[in-house]
Amino acid sequence: DTAVSQTPKYLVTQMGNDKSIKCEQNLGHDTMYWYKQDSKKFLKIMFSYNNKELIINETVPNRFSPKSPDKAHLNLHINSLELGDSAVYFCASSQGGVLGSPLHFGNGTRLTVT
Amino acid sequence: DQQVKQNSPSLSVQEGRISILNCDYTNSMFDYFLWYKKYPAEGPTFLISISSIKDKNEDGRFTVFLNKSAKHLSLHIVPSQPGDSAVYFCAASARTGANNLFFGTGTRLTVIP
Repeated sequence: DTAVSQTPKYLVTQMGNDKSIKCEQNLGHDTMYWYKQDSKKFLKIMFSYNNKELIINETVPNRFSPKSPDKAHLNLHINSLELGDSAVYFCASSQGGVLGSPLHFGNGTRLTVT
Repeated sequence: DQQVKQNSPSLSVQEGRISILNCDYTNSMFDYFLWYKKYPAEGPTFLISISSIKDKNEDGRFTVFLNKSAKHLSLHIVPSQPGDSAVYFCAASARTGANNLFFGTGTRLTVIP
């Protein structure tokens, strides 16, 4: 069983569209994250949720909206997609935050905006 | 501004020899450090960590060394195996710094059989 699963694996879409990426973890962790890896391979946090509550919201355009229906799910919705949004997006989870346990990552969603 | 830096984008090592991957950080508040390993089309997986109260942590073939005064850490893999070929990311966090983990840009290790 995959511990952190995210769908879809690949997403190709046009500028201006709205898309969502889903993430689920079956580890029973209380904290979930979204990270973005850009073309320079720089992996940077976007959001962090603890028990469905937003903990971190880094400098991310408000076109990006995370939604956590329960502590096992953290979905990422992106409005009005732009070329610069093309990247690999990783979902992750941990127990007790980054210092509680190592982050477990999903396999990533490669988003290509044309 | 990148607070965790891995200045070597790639490293090639012969099988059986030692691999040394380096990482530098700028934020003196960082007190917890991790190494992650990443294969193509997969997410990063946790490898080993070290707290700032230690200067060395060992797990099998993997050893992480921390030099706080130099703000430098390194990962030693010995002996290196072809299956170790992957991208290695260094990451750091501060206990007072909320729920954030700062990553370097990775070093691609190739172990030559």
